[in-house]
Amino acid sequence: KAGVTQTPRYLIKTRGQQVTLSCSPISGHRSVSWYQQTPGQGLQFLFEYFSETQRNKGNFPGRFSGRQFSNSRSEMNVSTLELGDSALYLCASSTDRVAYEQYFGPGTRLTVT
Amino acid sequence: GQQVMQIPQYQHVQEGEDFTTYCNSSTTLSNIQWYKQRPGGHPVFLIQLVKSGEVKKQKRLTFQFGEAKKNSSLHITATQTTDVGTYFCAATPGSGGSNYKLTFGKGTLLTVNP
Repeated sequence: KAGVTQTPRYLIKTRGQQVTLSCSPISGHRSVSWYQQTPGQGLQFLFEYFSETQRNKGNFPGRFSGRQFSNSRSEMNVSTLELGDSALYLCASSTDRVAYEQYFGPGTRLTVT
Repeated sequence: GQQVMQIPQYQHVQEGEDFTTYCNSSTTLSNIQWYKQRPGGHPVFLIQLVKSGEVKKQKRLTFQFGEAKKNSSLHITATQTTDVGTYFCAATPGSGGSNYKLTFGKGTLLTVNP
């Protein structure tokens, strides 16, 4: 089976811009979660989607949003980028819910200048 | 919100020495997972513990879940250079909490001197 794929792998944006990141889960996986990883804060949960519904959301401002499509592919969007949004954004998929093992993608490295 | 405290933050060992990282929660956990992230890589699932007092082994790695389901540990015997990386615990809350939110510890960065 192909693993979790994320595009793009690297991205450089300017403050105030918006960005959309994409994640394709492992075939058959219906749960997709997004995480932000920074050296200072570690891995922080953004949100989780299952069957196109957001089931839980982390403590991030409304500038962070996401969605899931009928084929389980997911996107996350960050509007009005801030310097502090520079991070590695990781997507993870699992068969049903986050209580099961998570398969992570390689991540998208976002740099905001 | 739920917090999972992980210690130590860093650990440097000589090859062949043992290594242990600990995770603690103030609330009861439903289950706990362990992940390893190599430098420049992404987290890779190692194991999941569900039962109180559970102990699981994977070659040189031993994972334990506390009797009260509030703490867990990962012990590596006779470390090798291939063990280098950051080890994370991740947990979902016990009854009454959401099964859809995984809380990660800050991780323990293990470096091994050959």
